[in-house]
Amino acid sequence: DTGVSQDPRHKITKRGQNVTFRCDPISEHNRLYWYRQTLGQGPEFLTYFQNEAQLEKSRLLSDRFSAERPKGSFSTLEIQRTEQGDSAMYLCASSLARVEAFFGQGTRLTVV
Amino acid sequence: AQSVSQHNHHVILSEAASLELGCNYSYGGTVNLFWYVQYPGQHLQLLLKYFSGDPLVKGIKGFEAEFIKSKFSFNLRKPSVQWSDTAEYFCAPLGQAGTALIFGKGTTLSVSS
Repeated sequence: DTGVSQDPRHKITKRGQNVTFRCDPISEHNRLYWYRQTLGQGPEFLTYFQNEAQLEKSRLLSDRFSAERPKGSFSTLEIQRTEQGDSAMYLCASSLARVEAFFGQGTRLTVV
Repeated sequence: AQSVSQHNHHVILSEAASLELGCNYSYGGTVNLFWYVQYPGQHLQLLLKYFSGDPLVKGIKGFEAEFIKSKFSFNLRKPSVQWSDTAEYFCAPLGQAGTALIFGKGTTLSVSS
């Protein structure tokens, strides 16, 4: 399968712990996006990379969130000092320029 | 602020009924428009897209959507739904910056056989 891959699929963590998620985009895609989705809502944009440059960040992305995309390939999303409100599905997507984005299966985070 | 409004939160239909899901977005100018579908337990998949040209676009599985610029709308339609269309549907215009998609809250479609 050459789609977008996310790891892990599920993560349960205690409040206050740090967590890191990984996304492997479709190999030729230069754009990579992170979204967050909670129950009953559509995905909310978090941040966007073009190659290795992080070009846009949502106001939703607090200082506890950081994302990287070294060498313009895979990306990581780290959440420091997790809070219960961080519990959500974290989605990664990739695309070529302004065409459609392809989504991964997501990482479901539960903060207890 | 840019926003997307999907009018129906939950739609329940019988097989063979016709479907129309409303979507309005809040900004003008050049807009690239998408509908995504999420089947139970699966990831978001593209249903159809509009960039320019004929405002009536056709997608997969018999779905179509009509772009009406004057109404800032991009409604999704299907003449005859099937049980397998049970899913969550998201309208998602590309933001004005041309970077990320902006998603509506989604419409859950339940089709009974």
